[in-house]
Amino acid sequence: EAQVTQNPRYLITVTGKKLTVTCSQNMNHEYMSWYRQDPGLGLRQIYYSMNVEVTDKGDVPEGYKVSRKEKRNFPLILESPSPNQTSLYFCASSSGDRGPLLSYNEQFFGPGTRLTVL
Amino acid sequence: ILNVEQSPQSLHVQEGDSTNFTCSFPSSNFYALHWYRWETAKSPEALFVMTLNGDEKKKGRISATLNTKEGYSYLYIKGSQPEDSATYLCAFLTNFGNEKLTFGTGTRLTIIP
Repeated sequence: EAQVTQNPRYLITVTGKKLTVTCSQNMNHEYMSWYRQDPGLGLRQIYYSMNVEVTDKGDVPEGYKVSRKEKRNFPLILESPSPNQTSLYFCASSSGDRGPLLSYNEQFFGPGTRLTVL
Repeated sequence: ILNVEQSPQSLHVQEGDSTNFTCSFPSSNFYALHWYRWETAKSPEALFVMTLNGDEKKKGRISATLNTKEGYSYLYIKGSQPEDSATYLCAFLTNFGNEKLTFGTGTRLTIIP
């Protein structure tokens, strides 16, 4: 089944304790992205990657790192989490099947990771 | 940061009625507009990707139109059903040479049986 998976789905942690949220897709998609969802603010893009070893900042990259060593995986790293990073996080991927990436192709979203930083 | 606005924020519609809502975006530097449907406790799912002025897309009872010159898109739902209850998100892609999608805050639709 074609899908985007994220782990963990739920995480409660404490300030300063490094964590990684994994994202994996089995659709051979070039494009992958991380978003956070906060009440009243809509989905905001954290980082995105247009292909292996190519990453770029979204609108809210502060406090996050990503890597794209393999096409299928795009982990989100919080080196020193803080309470303002408490949020619902989504990973998404997209192909270039119909044309240049997001200009023509929809995104497929993972199930979400609910993170609480105490 | 680009401004993408959706209205109304929320909407209650009687089952069987038709409805529509709006996504407004900057009319300059337009590249594409995405629509997603997001049910509670699930992930957003793509409805449409629209690129051309005057574009119209349809999927079952849901359709969308696009006006890039004036910077808006309408989403229409014909004969609303309870399963249409969801938040509908639009997202704007500019031609700045990157692949950053800017999302609106959504229209939350509730269908009243």
